[in-house]
Amino acid sequence: KNEVEQSPQNLTAQEGEFITINCSYSVGISALHWLQQHPGGGIVSLFMLSSGKKKHGRLIATINIQEKHSSLHITASHPRDSAVYICAVTPSTNKLIFGTGTLLAVQP
Amino acid sequence: KAGVTQTPRYLIKTRGQQVTLSCSPISGHRSVSWYQQTPGQGLQFLFEYFSETQRNKGNFPGRFSGRQFSNSRSEMNVSTLELGDSALYLCASSLAGRGSNQPQHFGDGTRLSIL
Repeated sequence: KNEVEQSPQNLTAQEGEFITINCSYSVGISALHWLQQHPGGGIVSLFMLSSGKKKHGRLIATINIQEKHSSLHITASHPRDSAVYICAVTPSTNKLIFGTGTLLAVQP
Repeated sequence: KAGVTQTPRYLIKTRGQQVTLSCSPISGHRSVSWYQQTPGQGLQFLFEYFSETQRNKGNFPGRFSGRQFSNSRSEMNVSTLELGDSALYLCASSLAGRGSNQPQHFGDGTRLSIL
């Protein structure tokens, strides 16, 4: 079983829809990261959080440390949000463990 | 401020050869991490360097090695290349301290193909 599980693996949405991507992990962590990867490979760090909730524009990330679960929400989705979203956790040993990613396609 | 720069962007090698990839971090960032991304295994951590010292290492064979220079630039080397080493190799930098607890800034990667 992977230490970081994401769901769903694939997601297709219509423009304007509210989107949720979930991440569950089984190891102790000091932080959790949400990353975005566009075709071609470039990765952008969206959020790093260790508790509570963070918001940036239309993106919201939450984490529940007790339940070992995090969610990434996208409000008013847009075709430019189409990308792979990756959850990664930092165990105390200073390295990232990645989920398998969620491929999001937002159709106009 | 310039981002993380990786060179080369693309590389083609044959089995048995060796390869060196380069990563220049964002100015002021002292932690550099390397990752391998393949369709089958996804993203996997290779190693992290901080102040010229390897601070952490993933589960890769000894053919994979790296180093960091005094200006924080880093190189990774893969010797005796195998077909399975074909991958996108990503480098990320972050500010000093507990590197993995700072946001990581990724380069565009080097796509390595082994023939």
